[in-house]
Amino acid sequence: IAGITQAPTSQILAAGRRMTLRCTQDMRHNAMYWYRQDLGLGLRLIHYSNTAGTTGKGEVPDGYSVSRANTDDFPLTLASAVPSQTSVYFCASSVDRQNYGYTFGSGTRLTVV
Amino acid sequence: GENVEQHPSTLSVQEGDSAVIKCTYSDSASNYFPWYKQELGKGPQLIIDIRSNVGEKKDQRIAVTLNKTAKHFSLHITETQPEDSAVYFCAARWDGGATNKLIFGTGTLLAVQP
Repeated sequence: IAGITQAPTSQILAAGRRMTLRCTQDMRHNAMYWYRQDLGLGLRLIHYSNTAGTTGKGEVPDGYSVSRANTDDFPLTLASAVPSQTSVYFCASSVDRQNYGYTFGSGTRLTVV
Repeated sequence: GENVEQHPSTLSVQEGDSAVIKCTYSDSASNYFPWYKQELGKGPQLIIDIRSNVGEKKDQRIAVTLNKTAKHFSLHITETQPEDSAVYFCAARWDGGATNKLIFGTGTLLAVQP
């Protein structure tokens, strides 16, 4: 089934640890995005990639990094997790930066303790 | 920067009644306004969208209206059903040249009472 796969679905992480959230899509979409969802704040963009090999910062990029080595994968890394990074993380994609329809993954619930 | 405000934060209606969710945006250059439905434990799913050259769009029981002058847009759900219960997000597309992004509202929890 075409779509976006995120892993893990949930994770409890000790503060200070490094963590990579995985995102893979099989739709050959050029643009990919990482959002975090927090109660009362909606969805906020962390990082984006318009095409393989390029990345950019969103609204809340601090403490996060991304890479886009190929079209399908867009991992999000927390170098040293802090409790304020407790959130639900969603990966999304669109055909390209000019195509407006986003497809979202099912999310990763991360708790930093 | 771009900002999207969404109201109400929670909405409870009786099955069969209509529900209306409203959003306002700050950047008059925004040109695309999607609505997403998020069910518990799932990612947001696009349900309807409208572009700035259209004032209204309808798809069965859902419709979206756009007032560019006032910079607000609304989601209308008629004949609500229990399966419409979910969190709904509005968004506005912001194009910054080298980048573009969807700015989301803070969400509306819709509860349809049977």
